[in-house]
Amino acid sequence: GAGVSQSPSNKVTEKGKDVELRCDPISGHTALYWYRQSLGQGLEFLIYFQGNSAPDKSGLPSDRFSAERTGGSVSTLTIQRTQQEDSAVYLCASSLVGQGAARAFGSGTRLTVV
Amino acid sequence: EDQVTQSPEALRLQEGESSSLNCSYTVSGLRGLFWYRQDPGKGPEFLFTLYSAGEEKEKERLKATLTKKESFLHITAPKPEDSATYLCAVPVYNNAGNMLTFGGGTRLMVKP
Repeated sequence: GAGVSQSPSNKVTEKGKDVELRCDPISGHTALYWYRQSLGQGLEFLIYFQGNSAPDKSGLPSDRFSAERTGGSVSTLTIQRTQQEDSAVYLCASSLVGQGAARAFGSGTRLTVV
Repeated sequence: EDQVTQSPEALRLQEGESSSLNCSYTVSGLRGLFWYRQDPGKGPEFLFTLYSAGEEKEKERLKATLTKKESFLHITAPKPEDSATYLCAVPVYNNAGNMLTFGGGTRLMVKP
């Protein structure tokens, strides 16, 4: 596709349930990033994938959060046993190597935990 | 710890009323400062990269400048379509690669 695609665009889930958020990066982009944007807060880095290297998980807030990237393309962010504080917009971005500043962001998944 | 602070949090302007947004940073070894625009319901859109003090970049009504401690995004004669949240960010490099540390953003509203 022409841009980074995220699905679903909106997700409402009950506290304690697991959710999966999907990101389709721009074709050919080897770098993929997940961020979280909470109401009134800045973007918070979660995880970074680069090619076949081990991902940088330093931003994941707890062990309930995990992410994988299959075949160097599509990525899935999984949140287990969701809590109300997980409610936020989850943004995915991708870029070419060495062009991280110009990373293209998707429109995000708005997660609401009730 | 690397920090990025933006001010003001919100700014209301009349169409044609020029102003500036501020981004202050404290990083150990600046490797660039980036500006983004974010519209409601959308992800951030890349605007500019600045690498060294004194550097300036322009795009339409926007001009970004950089000093050793802060960056300004100057908006000249803004139009309502310039209304958005403007974010600045600095890259932080670790062993695995790089992430961006973002400021909290300035929400700009331009009234016709």
